Amino acid sequence: QKEVEQDPGPLSVPEGAIVSLNCTYSNSAFQYFMWYRQYSRKGPELLMYTYSSGNKEDGRFTAQVDKSSKYISLFIRDSQPSDSATYLCAMRASGTYKYIFGTGTRLKVLA
Amino acid sequence: DAGVIQSPRHEVTEMGQEVTLRCKPISGHDYLFWYRQTMMRGLELLIYFNNNVPIDDSGMPEDRFSAKMPNASFSTLKIQPSEPRDSAVYFCASSLAPRVGGGLHSTDTQYFGPGTRLTVL
Repeated sequence: QKEVEQDPGPLSVPEGAIVSLNCTYSNSAFQYFMWYRQYSRKGPELLMYTYSSGNKEDGRFTAQVDKSSKYISLFIRDSQPSDSATYLCAMRASGTYKYIFGTGTRLKVLA
Repeated sequence: DAGVIQSPRHEVTEMGQEVTLRCKPISGHDYLFWYRQTMMRGLELLIYFNNNVPIDDSGMPEDRFSAKMPNASFSTLKIQPSEPRDSAVYFCASSLAPRVGGGLHSTDTQYFGPGTRLTVL
């Protein structure tokens, strides 16, 4: 079993929809959680990070962490065609920078 | 800043040949990470350095892989001998060390290079 599980998609939604992307993990030592966006044939870029349970909002993006369920989510409001990309979750334990990434969810926002 | 620079962008080689991938991190960054990305396994951390010192190389798949960071502005990932299953996109990323008084989690903001697409025939 992988330490981090992520549905690969693809997930297709109409423009303006609310998108929900999720990851589950098995290692209770993970305390730091990140979401990266990766456009085709590009390197990943950091979108959001959270360091505790709860919500964090940044513009149209909201990151949510539920440590009790070992479940993290990224919500995208008013999705745009420019949001079409692969979204990767990443996490690490305290005291190390050994990041574990999900395999990514491919998102397509249709105009 | 030009961002993280990787070379070559594409590499096609034959099985058994030595491959060297190169990375120039963002100036002033303290951490450097090497990743490999495939469709099947996703993005995997191979090794990371702090101030040019290897900290964790547990992700290096086998002895055929080696990485060095001779100075703060240059790192290499070498595969010798290469095999077809090494075909992947290899990314280098860099980040800052935590800063007291601000940016305590700056290391988590990694800046990725454009990647090197390696094909081993």
